[in-house]
Amino acid sequence: AQSVTQLDSHVSVSEGTPVLLRCNYSSSYSPSLFWYVQHPNKGLQLLLKYTSAATLVKGINGFEAEFKKSETSFHLTKPSAHMSDAAEYFCVVSPWQGGKLIFGQGTELSVKP
Amino acid sequence: EPEVTQTPSHQVTQMGQEVILRCVPISNHLYFYWYRQILGQKVEFLVSFYNNEISEKSEIFDDQFSVERPDGSNFTLKIRSTKLEDSAMYFCASMLLAGGSSYNEQFFGPGTRLTVL
Repeated sequence: AQSVTQLDSHVSVSEGTPVLLRCNYSSSYSPSLFWYVQHPNKGLQLLLKYTSAATLVKGINGFEAEFKKSETSFHLTKPSAHMSDAAEYFCVVSPWQGGKLIFGQGTELSVKP
Repeated sequence: EPEVTQTPSHQVTQMGQEVILRCVPISNHLYFYWYRQILGQKVEFLVSFYNNEISEKSEIFDDQFSVERPDGSNFTLKIRSTKLEDSAMYFCASMLLAGGSSYNEQFFGPGTRLTVL
């Protein structure tokens, strides 16, 4: 069975400092992995996706994630946080294209001025 | 830019009542999904729908739940007799089925908050 574990329920950073949101996955075969973001009172928006192409994936708003098979990780990073990055972030795995998405527990990112 | 819409944004109902949550997927999309998120818990898959039938469903999606695409634009989730534990945010998503190796993204609506009293 596939699953994802987000290692932090809440991360707080100062504006302009780097962001690291951690995610580990469990999969019996090559997974498709995603990061979604949810701003308050908004729907879930795809930030980036890994689908067995390049291991370093670039997404929107300056975010990127690196797929590391040896560590079963897919951590999300951004060099410099902006106030507008404050939101809930979900690491997601999909067993097959078009199939259900399996969500992690979510990480709430706070950005301090 | 096309988007998935959901109505109502908030629904309050009494336990035992039927509710219908409505979604309008993106117009040329062919796969449709419902997910839910109970407060403080992770987002959970409920059901996927393609070609006018359920393609996959979770253990949560029991006989109290049903989905329908009554016309060419709406996609509905019906809960026949609501329970207190059905209180959650319900998200609809849709996806374009495209050929080749390009990945198809699921686009989510803003959600309907269901409160069962």
